Amino acid sequence: DAGVIQSPRHEVTEMGQEVTLRCKPISGHNSLFWYRQTMMRGLELLIYFNNNVPIDDSGMPEDRFSAKMPNASFSTLKIQPSEPRDSAVYFCASRLGVNTEAFFGQGTRLTVV
Amino acid sequence: TQLLEQSPQFLSIQEGENLTVYCNSSSVFSSLQWYRQEPGEGPVLLVTVVTGGEVKKLKRLTFQFGDARKDSSLHITAAQPGDTGLYLCAGLTGANNLFFGTGTRLTVIP
Repeated sequence: DAGVIQSPRHEVTEMGQEVTLRCKPISGHNSLFWYRQTMMRGLELLIYFNNNVPIDDSGMPEDRFSAKMPNASFSTLKIQPSEPRDSAVYFCASRLGVNTEAFFGQGTRLTVV
Repeated sequence: TQLLEQSPQFLSIQEGENLTVYCNSSSVFSSLQWYRQEPGEGPVLLVTVVTGGEVKKLKRLTFQFGDARKDSSLHITAAQPGDTGLYLCAGLTGANNLFFGTGTRLTVIP
């Protein structure tokens, strides 16, 4: 398996533009997480899906952020409109079962100018 | 959001020294994991501890889960430059959610 695949690896966009981050989890995994990492705030959980259903989205910063998981092999995180404070590395992770390892993608480094 | 505080935040030591990293929370977790992250990569799992009081060893690394399942520690014996990285604890809740700690950035100087 190729692991968790995220795209793009890097994204530079202007303030106010829409940004869509993509994630392909490991085949067969039933849990998917989106995290945001910054030096100031560390690795923050944004949203958690189980069997394609959002279970906990309390970490989503505000209405500008939305996440979808239309099927077991694809998820998106959208920011509209983007702001400079959204600049961070966004990670997607997937897992199968309970107490098991969460496998991370290589992340998307987002810069909003 | 479950808050997991790690200490110290930064640690710089000489090769061969021992160190301990702490992970504390006011919340009870069903299990706790430790990950290590290197620059440009996502975190990678080191260990999962499930039972209160559990101790697990991974070569020179020793992990302990507190009796009340609210805290954990990571002890490294005879640190090596290859141990350099960001160490993250992560608590698993009853809802199967996974929250990460604030992180400890370790630098081992040759």
